[in-house]
Amino acid sequence: DAGVTQSPTHLIKTRGQQVTLRCSPKSGHDTVSWYQQALGQGPQFIFQYYEEEERQRGNFPDRFSGHQFPNYSSELNVNALLLGDSALYLCASNREIATNEKLFFGSGTQLSVL
Amino acid sequence: GESVGLHLPTLSVQEGDNSIINCAYSNSASDYFIWYKQESGKGPQFIIDIRSNMDKRQGQRVTVLLNKTVKHLSLQIAATQPGDSAVYFCAENIGGYSTLTFGKGTMLLVSP
Repeated sequence: DAGVTQSPTHLIKTRGQQVTLRCSPKSGHDTVSWYQQALGQGPQFIFQYYEEEERQRGNFPDRFSGHQFPNYSSELNVNALLLGDSALYLCASNREIATNEKLFFGSGTQLSVL
Repeated sequence: GESVGLHLPTLSVQEGDNSIINCAYSNSASDYFIWYKQESGKGPQFIIDIRSNMDKRQGQRVTVLLNKTVKHLSLQIAATQPGDSAVYFCAENIGGYSTLTFGKGTMLLVSP
């Protein structure tokens, strides 16, 4: 049973560019959340997708957007990249039917913005 | 500011010792707490959780204690092993939807 998978594992971009990160949730999971983890910090909630819609959003600008597909996989898009967007981007999944069910995290995509 | 934080950024212990990692939270409405372990190059891995209607929960070699009076959470690891070396995060959730607020983390270093 595959866990949460993310691609790519590493990515280097320059300021002003756009990036798309991808996530496949754990089998049986229908809810996907994205987190940003800066070096030496805890993950920060970006947004959550359920039934192909953004359901909740953290304190991130509109440059951060996402999408969920019918197969529950998800993408995170970041436009007009800034140096401060350099971070580990984590995808997490869970089952909506189980309130407060523990999140399963992927290994993340390490984004470097030069 | 962050609503979840940790007292100690680094904890060094000897193999076989018991480890205690502490966490303070500030939101009294939080009703679900989780401890995660994160090894270098990996995503956070679930360790143990506790709901606000409990004050203690035990797992395999781990125990989580919740003191709602002083808004304090702790993770106890028995017989700490070198493989326990990692960064440990506490996280809190308010009212469902599994959206978590994480603290900064504590690095646990276990010497053989």
